[in-house]
Amino acid sequence: DQQVKQNSPSLSVQEGRISILNCDYTNSMFDYFLWYKKYPAEGPTFLISISSIKDKNEDGRFTVFLNKSAKHLSLHIVPSQPGDSAVYFCAASKVSGNQFYFGTGTSLTVIP
Amino acid sequence: AAGVIQSPRHLIKEKRETATLKCYPIPRHDTVYWYQQGPGQDPQFLISFYEKMQSDKGSIPDRFSAQQFSDYHSELNMSSLELGDSALYFCASSYRLAGEPITDTQYFGPGTRLTVL
Repeated sequence: DQQVKQNSPSLSVQEGRISILNCDYTNSMFDYFLWYKKYPAEGPTFLISISSIKDKNEDGRFTVFLNKSAKHLSLHIVPSQPGDSAVYFCAASKVSGNQFYFGTGTSLTVIP
Repeated sequence: AAGVIQSPRHLIKEKRETATLKCYPIPRHDTVYWYQQGPGQDPQFLISFYEKMQSDKGSIPDRFSAQQFSDYHSELNMSSLELGDSALYFCASSYRLAGEPITDTQYFGPGTRLTVL
């Protein structure tokens, strides 16, 4: 049962434009969300997080938006750079537990 | 900055053999998590330890066991290996503030790629 879903397996964006990666979840108990970036042959690298008390968190070029009523979060990357090309995973956890549930990932390609 | 270290990076075993994967967390991190990522799949949580005690258990087969040692490193022991155990095994670590809600950020190691022939 996939509790965190990333329905777009891949995304291509021109350099300098905005990349928008989407993530949906089904478990209303999830209260903490993260985005990870993963290059081939490397472990996931933490990017940005958001807790349910917020609807937006910004860190440099990366902004995560959370819509609790829709059980949806998105990651915006502005401006996109070729070095951003990687697989992006969203992950969610319940405050009462400590395991993270991962989405299936979206492969982002930023075209120079 | 020091990161999570996993060894070995690559491991090839045959069916029914055993394997031990090691994880060294970021210094001062007290929590370790193990994930399994099969080809084309998302990471699946296996098990976690906090202060050397098992704190959460996911989809870890009975053939697998793990523990966290006094120096906070962790080992994942896998026995009677099957072809389906071929995957990337990630370890992650975090630091949990006492009394705080469990919303710690997990930092991942580079993974161990296990191939079972």
